[in-house]
Amino acid sequence: NAGVMQNPRHLVRRRGQEARLRCSPMKGHSHVYWYRQLPEEGLKFMVYLQKENIIDESGMPKERFSAEFPKEGPSILRIQQVVRGDSAAYFCASSPREEAQFFGPGTRLTVL
Amino acid sequence: GNSVTQMEGPVTLSEEAFLTINCTYTATGYPSLFWYVQYPGEGLQLLLKATKADDKGSNKGFEATYRKETTSFHLEKGSVQVSDSAVYFCALIRGSARQLTFGSGTQLTVLP
Repeated sequence: NAGVMQNPRHLVRRRGQEARLRCSPMKGHSHVYWYRQLPEEGLKFMVYLQKENIIDESGMPKERFSAEFPKEGPSILRIQQVVRGDSAAYFCASSPREEAQFFGPGTRLTVL
Repeated sequence: GNSVTQMEGPVTLSEEAFLTINCTYTATGYPSLFWYVQYPGEGLQLLLKATKADDKGSNKGFEATYRKETTSFHLEKGSVQVSDSAVYFCALIRGSARQLTFGSGTQLTVLP
């Protein structure tokens, strides 16, 4: 059973470009979470999704950031018009219903 | 709101030394508590968890006991190895909210 998969592992963007981060949850997991880890800091919750629904986006910045988890395919975290402050590691986690979350390897975004 | 406070690092130990990483939390009610480990360049791995007061989570020689009276979940290991070098995160989930609240992480380095 493959773990949580994220791609790309590393992403470089210039200021003003768009970044798309993908997350495929573990088989059988219907809950997906996105977290951001800024340099030298812990992880901060961004958004919690189930298939086709955003359940809790209380940690998402109000502008430029969006997330989806379509009926088919991976979950996508989209950052429009990236700025240098968006440089961070973005981690996706998944869980089967209300249980411990399993994390992917992360996408390290660098904004030049 | 919920919060997790971890012992500040970095922590450097010799192989076979005893390890304690302190973790205290603030939350209403009865959160579930977790320890995650992050090896360099990787995502977080669940190390152990406890879901109610006085529960002891254990895995790979690591242990932590859920102490409601002191709101603590300290991580311990009797004899560390070089391979235990990593960043350790304490975290909680409270009630119906599914997002993990993380501490800032503690960097552990074990020297041979």
